[in-house]
Amino acid sequence: DIQMTQSPSSLSASVGDRVTITCRPSQTITTSLNWYQHKPGKAPKLLIHTASNLQSGVPSRFSGSGSGTDFTLTISSLQPEDFAIYYCQQSYGTPFTFGQGTRLEIK
Amino acid sequence: QVQLVESGGGVVQPGRSLRLSCATSGFTFSNYPMHWVRQAPGKGLEWVAVMSYDGRDEYYADSVKGRFTISRDNSKKTLYLQMDSLREEDMGVYYCARDRRQNSGSYLGPDYWGQGTLVTVSS
Repeated sequence: DIQMTQSPSSLSASVGDRVTITCRPSQTITTSLNWYQHKPGKAPKLLIHTASNLQSGVPSRFSGSGSGTDFTLTISSLQPEDFAIYYCQQSYGTPFTFGQGTRLEIK
Repeated sequence: QVQLVESGGGVVQPGRSLRLSCATSGFTFSNYPMHWVRQAPGKGLEWVAVMSYDGRDEYYADSVKGRFTISRDNSKKTLYLQMDSLREEDMGVYYCARDRRQNSGSYLGPDYWGQGTLVTVSS
């Protein structure tokens, strides 16, 4: 199975900050990487697919990059509604494993 | 708009069974692979199973293989998860989710998700 390691596990930041979350799979997954935002009691929301493609309707302050075994999610200027948990997931092969999540909190 | 609504969760004793349903609307259900993903209390997301758009292929996480069965009824636009021999570690919110890829034997990962249904396993 492909293990997905996210860092950091938690992050405190302020509105307007630029933040970066990293995801590293245990083997190469080309660009088969998705990023999700999850708020308590809500359905997870797809932000980025295929490593760097912004899902329709997602604000442009979200961006993704990377390939192989090194990926990043960047939020260019944090907004109040961005405080949530973020997950990466590989779609390279089953089981379609998730990272452990990054909790983004208000400083 | 795309809608997925899970149901069937509840409280069940260890070793018993439960069947979850996911009713869909707003898209051509028979064109899309479908996933189940769960979240245990205080934990992260865990992928559980996927079924191909035509129901011919299914894959499972090792943690549920042999105990859970994913199925679909394309005429009813509904996805199912039969959960047998339930354990306390199966407790959590179960989400159904649509795969992004249509009419293909490969997968891209979920795009739309339901709100989830809670499964509690307790004696």
